[in-house]
Amino acid sequence: EIVLTQSPDFQSVTPKEKVTITCRASRGIASSLHWYQQKPDQSPKLLIKFASQSFSGVPSRFSGSGSGTDFTLTINDLEVEDAATYFCHQTDSFPWTFGQGTRVEIK
Amino acid sequence: QVQLQESGPGLVKPSETLSLTCTVSGGSIINYYWNWIRQPPGRGLEWIGYIYSSGNSNYNPSLKSRLTMSVDTSKNQFSLKLTSVTAADTAVYYCARLRLGEMIPEYWGQGTLVSVSS
Repeated sequence: EIVLTQSPDFQSVTPKEKVTITCRASRGIASSLHWYQQKPDQSPKLLIKFASQSFSGVPSRFSGSGSGTDFTLTINDLEVEDAATYFCHQTDSFPWTFGQGTRVEIK
Repeated sequence: QVQLQESGPGLVKPSETLSLTCTVSGGSIINYYWNWIRQPPGRGLEWIGYIYSSGNSNYNPSLKSRLTMSVDTSKNQFSLKLTSVTAADTAVYYCARLRLGEMIPEYWGQGTLVSVSS
């Protein structure tokens, strides 16, 4: 099973700051890595697919990069509404797995 | 816009069977893959498995011996049954549609909390 390890687990940031979240896979997964945003009591929402492709309707301040084992989600010009937990998810091999999540808090 | 809604008992006794149904509206269940994912309280997400509208399925090996998924195309629903549940199966259960050709969970239900307790 591929283990996805996110860092950091928690980040407290002020509006307009830049946020960088990393996701490391225990073995290479090409670009089959996706990012989700989950707000309290809501279901996850797809932000980025296949490492760097923005999903329809997602603000341009969200971007992704990486391939193989190391991936990054970047949020530029953080807005208050971006307070959430962010998960990475791999669909390269079964069983599909998720990272443990990174909670982003707005100061 | 496709919408998914999970339904089923919110409380199940240990050793019994957890049964959930996901009803799809705003689109057909045919020719898509349908996913189940769960999230224990305060924890991360776990992929349970998926089923195609024809009935072909793929399960997480950690749950495979206890798991059955099915599809009812006449009702536009798909279902999950998990046998011999324990407290470790307490979670919010989500159903989701996989994006055509890309196999990524795209549309999600709101989730339903299932607690396992006597």
